[in-house]
Amino acid sequence: GAVVSQHPSRVICKSGTSVKIECRSLDFQATTMFWYRQFPKQSLMLMATSNEGSKATYEQGVEKDKFLINHASLTLSTLTVTSAHPEDSSFYICSAYNRGLEQFFGPGTRLTVL
Amino acid sequence: QKEVEQDPGPLSVPEGAIVSLNCTYSNSAFQYFMWYRQYSRKGPELLMYTYSSGNKEDGRFTAQVDKSSKYISLFIRDSQPSDSATYLCAMSEAGGGNKLTFGTGTQLKVEL
Repeated sequence: GAVVSQHPSRVICKSGTSVKIECRSLDFQATTMFWYRQFPKQSLMLMATSNEGSKATYEQGVEKDKFLINHASLTLSTLTVTSAHPEDSSFYICSAYNRGLEQFFGPGTRLTVL
Repeated sequence: QKEVEQDPGPLSVPEGAIVSLNCTYSNSAFQYFMWYRQYSRKGPELLMYTYSSGNKEDGRFTAQVDKSSKYISLFIRDSQPSDSATYLCAMSEAGGGNKLTFGTGTQLKVEL
């Protein structure tokens, strides 16, 4: 299957700082990338959908000014959590899609905000 | 009410047992049904993909979809310790390149 990487795998930051998470499709070009958030013992919740070269579409209740998404190329999307607070601590997972049946998921980034 | 309901477990079974995992859903527009396996601190990986109602078998795994009851199942035969993971059901109205709605996941442990 296709490979999707995320960087960093884990990040700890102070409250009020911004954190950038990268999602890369390593062996295919992703027309669409998705960002999910997963709280402990809860399901993955879609935050936003991004298509290369266009603005991301955010799910209801997700603040677009807080979670900045940039899909600059067919292999890279970034999620920036601005002015992070402890309630933003979570597991952030991206997925990438080109065509066919499935989205390919990255390994996730665990964000801890102190 | 959540769109997708899944018993979080944990579910513990002996090696070799048949495992049954289930999800129910409320959105009748869901047409595509998936099962993902997620190991601790890893991203989900696709196990089974089914369109509309019916059964699909792949090795030790069988996926069933009953749209009339809004109920899907995953069966694992001859379960192995390596099957120990969290299993998530996911659904979509319009296929894999669109929004997926996930269940909470069922944590499975297969014991020697």
